[in-house]
Amino acid sequence: DIQMTQSPSSLSASVGDRVTISCRASRSISNYLNWYQQKPGKAPKLLIYAASNLQSGVPSRFSGSRSGTDFTFIISSLQPDDFATYYCQQSYSSPGTFGQGTKVEIK
Amino acid sequence: QVQLVESGGGLVKPGRSLRISCAASGFTFSDFYMSWIRQAPGKGLEHISYISTSGTTKYYADSVRGRFTISRDNAKNSLYLQMDSLRAEDTGIYYCARTPATRADLDYWGQGTLVTVSS
Repeated sequence: DIQMTQSPSSLSASVGDRVTISCRASRSISNYLNWYQQKPGKAPKLLIYAASNLQSGVPSRFSGSRSGTDFTFIISSLQPDDFATYYCQQSYSSPGTFGQGTKVEIK
Repeated sequence: QVQLVESGGGLVKPGRSLRISCAASGFTFSDFYMSWIRQAPGKGLEHISYISTSGTTKYYADSVRGRFTISRDNAKNSLYLQMDSLRAEDTGIYYCARTPATRADLDYWGQGTLVTVSS
């Protein structure tokens, strides 16, 4: 199975901050990398698919990029609604493994 | 609008069986691969199974292979997961989700159904 190493596991940030989350695949997954947001008690929500494509209806402050097997997720200006846990997921091969998650908390 | 509604979760004893369902609406169900993803209490996400549009292709994670069976009824716009020989470690929230054609992500998720395996 492909392993996804996500970092950090948690971070504290203030409204307006730029937030960066990383995800590294154990081998090449091309652009088959997705990012999800999950709030407590809710289902995950797709934000970014295929490394850098913004899902319809998702604000443009969210973005994603790829460099080899390293993927980066950025929130350009953190908003109060963005405090949540974020997961990366590779969909290159089955099982579509998820990263461990990054909990974004209020500083 | 797209809706996925899971049902059938509950408390079940180890070794017993349970079938959970996912009712889809607001889209052409037969055009989408469908998946089950679970989340143990306080833990991350695990993609445990998916099924192709026609039901001919199925995938299972090692953790459930041989015990769980995914199926779908396109006429009823429904997805199912038959769970046999349940273990305590199967406890968690079970989500259904769809994958758009030509893509490989999970673009819509249901709200989940809680399965608790305990004596």
